[in-house]
Amino acid sequence: EPEVTQTPSHQVTQMGQEVILRCVPISNHLYFYWYRQILGQKVEFLVSFYNNEISEKSEIFDDQFSVERPDGSNFTLKIRSTKLEDSAMYFCATTSQGALLKETQYFGPGTRLLVL
Amino acid sequence: AQKITQTQPGMFVQEKEAVTLDCTYDTSDPSYGLFWYKQPSSGEMIFLIYQGSYDQQNATEGRYSLNFQKARKSANLVISASQLGDSAMYFCAMRAYGGATNKLIFGTGTLLAVQP
Repeated sequence: EPEVTQTPSHQVTQMGQEVILRCVPISNHLYFYWYRQILGQKVEFLVSFYNNEISEKSEIFDDQFSVERPDGSNFTLKIRSTKLEDSAMYFCATTSQGALLKETQYFGPGTRLLVL
Repeated sequence: AQKITQTQPGMFVQEKEAVTLDCTYDTSDPSYGLFWYKQPSSGEMIFLIYQGSYDQQNATEGRYSLNFQKARKSANLVISASQLGDSAMYFCAMRAYGGATNKLIFGTGTLLAVQP
């Protein structure tokens, strides 16, 4: 069964460093999302991406964050200068038809980011 | 604004018993979808079941069923014949139709522990 993959599974970084989280969506999916989950808290939407553009972003997704699809397969989330509060699990999710309500978003296994 | 409320931080259930996990929602959109995801201790998010706001019947997927009461704005997940492997965090999520708004809004989750 096709699945969303994410790398790395874990990342430890120093405050102020840049990190890039990578996601490989399911091959025929066109809509991509990043969510984050701070330890013990609920999953929060960060950004949605379609047709090489951001379609929506949350207030969490400030200028320190960026997304791109550099090579037509990977979908990346970059955090330019990490802060302690960026420590969280980051999930990539993808769907084939973003506009349909019932379209399931399939989540990757997550990247656990720890900022020291 | 859309909101999901899960009032049970934790639940215990005996193996082979049924359990109901509560979820209430708030939205002014007439069209919306409700999802349940399971998050085991390993961290991944596993899609379980979907209910659309216009669906006439309650959704069922194997041992999972959704008790959808639209007037009460509730979408409770029922797990029948609980198994030890059902021990996990369960999140209710909503998606409302609003053009570019394809994001999922999650509740705070319910931690289910299945006891032998």
